[in-house]
Amino acid sequence: AQSVTQLDSQVPVFEEAPVELRCNYSSSVSVYLFWYVQYPNQGLQLLLKYLSGSTLVKGINGFEAEFNKSQTSFHLRKPSVHISDTAEYFCAVSKYSSASKIIFGSGTRLSIRP
Amino acid sequence: KAGVTQTPRYLIKTRGQQVTLSCSPISGHRSVSWYQQTPGQGLQFLFEYFSETQRNKGNFPGRFSGRQFSNSRSEMNVSTLELGDSALYLCASSKGNNEKLFFGSGTQLSVL
Repeated sequence: AQSVTQLDSQVPVFEEAPVELRCNYSSSVSVYLFWYVQYPNQGLQLLLKYLSGSTLVKGINGFEAEFNKSQTSFHLRKPSVHISDTAEYFCAVSKYSSASKIIFGSGTRLSIRP
Repeated sequence: KAGVTQTPRYLIKTRGQQVTLSCSPISGHRSVSWYQQTPGQGLQFLFEYFSETQRNKGNFPGRFSGRQFSNSRSEMNVSTLELGDSALYLCASSKGNNEKLFFGSGTQLSVL
């Protein structure tokens, strides 16, 4: 079975500061890793995904994440955040490349202070 | 290109009733997945349909069922509603394997 732990339920940061949202996963099989963002009153939008290859994955809106197999982590980073990045961020895993049956973390609420 | 469309946007039902939610995927997408989102349990996978066949299923009771039509549109049905079924139900579509999921805005179901 797979599981995902997002270590921070809320992360407040100042505008233009860097941010890291932490994610650890557990699985007995190889998995595919994802980060999704949910803006208020909207569905989820894929930020980035790791299927294989380079461990540094670049996504939309200036976000990137690094897959670390030894630490079973997939932390999300952005060097400089904007007010528009205020949202909830979900780390997720799936053992299916089809992205079916995704297991989501509990989410991290990113709030940006001006 | 239209996105994933879920109807209705909001729904209020009472305990014991049944409800049907609808999802129209992006044109050309053959896979439709359903997720339940609640403050307590977070996002949980319900099931996935691909070409009218259920391909994967989550750990929900049999009161939750779904189907997919030949045009890839999908419906989800919940019978004998319970208070705990109050949630945001999200639908997502994709072309298939290794393809990106696109989510709809969801149906907010309130059970009174």
